[in-house]
Amino acid sequence: NAGVTQTPKFQVLKTGQSMTLQCAQDMNHEYMSWYRQDPGMGLRLIHYSVGAGITDQGEVPNGYNVSRSTTEDFPLRLLSAAPSQTSVYFCASRQGAKIDTQYFGPGTRLTVL
Amino acid sequence: GDSVTQMEGPVTLSEEAFLTINCTYTATGYPSLFWYVQYPGEGLQLLLKATKADDKGSNKGFEATYRKETTSFHLEKGSVQVSDSAVYFCALRGTNTGNQFYFGTGTSLTVIP
Repeated sequence: NAGVTQTPKFQVLKTGQSMTLQCAQDMNHEYMSWYRQDPGMGLRLIHYSVGAGITDQGEVPNGYNVSRSTTEDFPLRLLSAAPSQTSVYFCASRQGAKIDTQYFGPGTRLTVL
Repeated sequence: GDSVTQMEGPVTLSEEAFLTINCTYTATGYPSLFWYVQYPGEGLQLLLKATKADDKGSNKGFEATYRKETTSFHLEKGSVQVSDSAVYFCALRGTNTGNQFYFGTGTSLTVIP
């Protein structure tokens, strides 16, 4: 099992550019999430999905889009990047909403100039 | 809403010293509580968990007890090692908030030989 994989590991964007952060898991988990990690703020939930075709907003969804067409993949799209979106992004998955054990990917470090 | 407050870092200890990292929470219902660890350049890994009051979670010499009366889940280890150097996050899974996870801001621990 590869677990949760994320690409790219590092990315630099200019303000206004768009991009997609990829996330995939091979554990057949229903529940997937995207978090951002900022200094002094811990991890904050951006969007989550409870299964293929179902997504919902977390604490900080503005400026981000998600879709879940398959169980394995949960990409995060930045529509028009802003410097405030400079952060480290983590994807996570778990078997179900009420399952406690959550697996994290290695993260994507994004810088928006 | 649900939230977690954990002690500010950074924390620097000598090898074999005793470690305490404080964590308190605010939540409605009966949350599950967690400690996650993040080693440099990696994603978060579950260290230990407790799912109900008075439960003690333990792993790799670390322990934490779910105290409902003080709404606390402090992390302790009797004798730290250099390999314990990492960032530690306290977290809860809310039962009244769509089973979302809420994370503290993280505490950086450095253990010196």
